[in-house]
This record gives sequence, structure tokens and C-alpha cells, in this order.
Amino acid sequence: AQTVTQSQPEMSVQEAETVTLSCTYDTSESNYYLFWYKQPPSRQMILVIRQEAYKQQNATENRFSVNFQKAAKSFSLKISDSQLGDTAMYFCAFSSSGGGADGLTFGKGTHLIIQP
Amino acid sequence: DTAVSQTPKYLVTQMGNDKSIKCEQNLGHDTMYWYKQDSKKFLKIMFSYNNKELIINETVPNRFSPKSPDKAHLNLHINSLELGDSAVYFCASSQEVDTDTQYFGPGTRLTVL
Repeated sequence: AQTVTQSQPEMSVQEAETVTLSCTYDTSESNYYLFWYKQPPSRQMILVIRQEAYKQQNATENRFSVNFQKAAKSFSLKISDSQLGDTAMYFCAFSSSGGGADGLTFGKGTHLIIQP
Repeated sequence: DTAVSQTPKYLVTQMGNDKSIKCEQNLGHDTMYWYKQDSKKFLKIMFSYNNKELIINETVPNRFSPKSPDKAHLNLHINSLELGDSAVYFCASSQEVDTDTQYFGPGTRLTVL
């Protein structure tokens, strides 16, 4: 079974700073998918970024980018020019490509607070 | 325009009751899921439903049963509710099994008294 570990329960940075959230995972599979989801106080789960393990290039979405290190099984999220609206829980998630519909395996989340 | 919707958003009920949460997606996706988020915010898969094939997480009590009247709907029925069932339940959908991005509903906060 896969596991996802987020070692930072909470982080706090000033507005406009850059922050990096860490995520490591454990799997014996060679092909899989990794995600970062954001959950603001509204409770809605919002996709931030998606990475396919067979692609070496790191995914980016505007101010959000990942550092994907497949050999190290690491998938960190970098938020540049952080904004107050980035305050939320951030979840790292793993999806097998085995077609077994096992769903997403989530980490325990990091509560990110952006201070004005 | 809501992609994945759930009703109700809040549900308060007594122990021992039976309740249902409805989920609908208008994205034309083939796979739907139910997740449980506990009081510590931990999210765990409960069910996956794809092309009439149901995959159940072995830790889910059989008091929980998903019902899919058609491809766009996956409802969650819970019998004999217990205090420990209090949580937020999320429905999600994706086009492909496992490989595709999952889109989540707004969640249903269930409180069992």
C-alpha cells in the first residue's frame, strides 16, 4: 500500500514571500500520479497542480510549482509571491495508475497561514 | 454550472438513524468516489464506482452502501448511524480511473448526536 507523508503540520509566512511545502511518498510502482489539493476554510477541495511520474519536467501553474524528485520519492510544492487567499490546508495526494480505482491516498495536510 | 454537487451540505441526526447523502456530477465522468474526512482533516477513500464496478475500501463498515442510479449519480446510504460516523463526506468524480484528476463536491458535514 502507498503512503504519503507531509511532515509540516503548520506553516506561517508573510504575504509576498515564497514558501515550500514538503511531501514524500512510498510506493513500489514505477508509474503513478501526484497531486496537490488546497482546502480553504470554505472546505472545498481545489486542485492546485498535477504531476505524472513518467514526466521528468516539473509541473507549474502560475505561482505554484513542484519539485518532483522521483528517485527520492519527494514532491514538494512551492508557492511564489504568496497571497492572503493562499491561506488553506494543503494536501499532497498519490494515485496509482494500475486502473484499480483505489482512489487518492492523501497525506495528513499542511495548514498554511499567510500573514499580512 | 456546479460540476460536482452534494446534498445536503449539513446533516445533523441521532444515533441509530438511517440517512443518505446525494451526489451528482455534470462533467460526463465515468468514475465517482466517496471520501471521509475526519476531525483531524485526514481524508480517506471509502468507495470507487466505475462502469458499474464497485470497489470498497476494506475498512468501511457494511453500514455504508453506495447506490448509483445512473452514471451521473452516486449516493451514499448510511444505516444505524454511530457517533464515530461524524465527519465530512466528499463525493468526487474523474474521467478516467486513477489516472485522471478528481473533482470534488463541496462536502457534507454529518453530525451524529
